[in-house]
Amino acid sequence: GQQLNQSPQSMFIQEGEDVSMNCTSSSIFNTWLWYKQDPGEGPVLLIALYKAGELTSNGRLTAQFGITRKDSFLNISASIPSDVGIYFCAGRGNTGNQFYFGTGTSLTVIP
Amino acid sequence: DVKVTQSSRYLVKRTGEKVFLECVQDMDHENMFWYRQDPGLGLRLIYFSYDVKMKEKGDIPEGYSVSREKKERFSLILESASTNQTSMYLCASSSGVGTGYQPQHFGDGTRLSIL
Repeated sequence: GQQLNQSPQSMFIQEGEDVSMNCTSSSIFNTWLWYKQDPGEGPVLLIALYKAGELTSNGRLTAQFGITRKDSFLNISASIPSDVGIYFCAGRGNTGNQFYFGTGTSLTVIP
Repeated sequence: DVKVTQSSRYLVKRTGEKVFLECVQDMDHENMFWYRQDPGLGLRLIYFSYDVKMKEKGDIPEGYSVSREKKERFSLILESASTNQTSMYLCASSSGVGTGYQPQHFGDGTRLSIL
């Protein structure tokens, strides 16, 4: 099955810093999703994107659906300790009901 | 709020045992999914179901089977557990059909260890 390239694999940042991560695919997608997984929990949906070029915010989080439809980006502004976790991207193409997931970005915020 | 409940958070079984992982959702979703999560590999789809008694293989179905006798319940079965099936298992559900599939909602996962 298809796997998305997500980078970086891990990040260690100081509290208050901004964070950027991205996800790329070899195929065109019609939907991009971003999830966060807290330690010991299941992934929770943060943002859903349905249109190329779309920019959507959820509090300090902003995600963009790339113009090429083969990538997506997530930014976190002014990070805080509770931002710690693994962030996953997921994408779905034109056909089928399967979402493909990235390998995750592990974020550590140092107080 | 969507609630996806997995029956066990932690499970320890022995090689060769038949293992059942249960998942229940309370939002009348048509679609249900089983993934396994391993470090560095992300989430890999094992099986999914888009209707009662229907099932489709995902990317890594070998060694697993599933059962969906009722709309709200989706079971993952390890026919004869092996040590390489030690992993975190995540269940998810979603609404929608065709091109209208909605984002998936996940349970908290079952961490399965096979000794």
